[in-house]
Amino acid sequence: DSGVTQTPKHLITATGQRVTLRCSPRSGDLSVYWYQQSLDQGLQFLIQYYNGEERAKGNILERFSAQQFPDLHSELNLSSLELGDSALYFCASSVEGAAWNTIYFGEGSWLTVV
Amino acid sequence: DQQVKQNSPSLSVQEGRISILNCDYTNSMFDYFLWYKKYPAEGPTFLISISSIKDKNEDGRFTVFLNKSAKHLSLHIVPSQPGDSAVYFCAASEGGSQGNLIFGKGTKLSVKP
Repeated sequence: DSGVTQTPKHLITATGQRVTLRCSPRSGDLSVYWYQQSLDQGLQFLIQYYNGEERAKGNILERFSAQQFPDLHSELNLSSLELGDSALYFCASSVEGAAWNTIYFGEGSWLTVV
Repeated sequence: DQQVKQNSPSLSVQEGRISILNCDYTNSMFDYFLWYKKYPAEGPTFLISISSIKDKNEDGRFTVFLNKSAKHLSLHIVPSQPGDSAVYFCAASEGGSQGNLIFGKGTKLSVKP
């Protein structure tokens, strides 16, 4: 158990809908990262938040947005969903200034768009 | 265009033998490389890393080799054990970047008893 909690674990929704994925980082971790893993792709970095502020942005679509709340949990909002958005979405967390070998991943949220 | 490539989607090895997983990259600005292991229904977990100032890093049964001129790194597992069966991801980052690890697509290793 990495200490990073993601909900829901599985989600099936229809095209055009909107969903919210939730992440609770490890206790004490200030940075939260979101990654997407599609069927035949490696993990794609989406976005990073640090202590409530956006820190870095990757290949995140405009239909997607994220935020980190004062209690440090984070939400990834996916809207106008398309079939191609079906993927495993990982949240990860780390303390500020952590080396890459101390980034901890959650178990992921499986999103299926039908 | 993929900056980190793992060209072998799968690898099967006999228990006790050496497993060699390969990774190629195209971005010469990458200066830190990592390997993550992922079991089904779990998130990736860090395995071993190497800085571009080194060409080898060893941790128990796991050794990572870096060939900067060839833009190639490899992970050696000796001896391989059935519990090593997992998907292995190679990842790379540039100095100073945070949150932007570039991952390969992964190689599924199966270690047969």
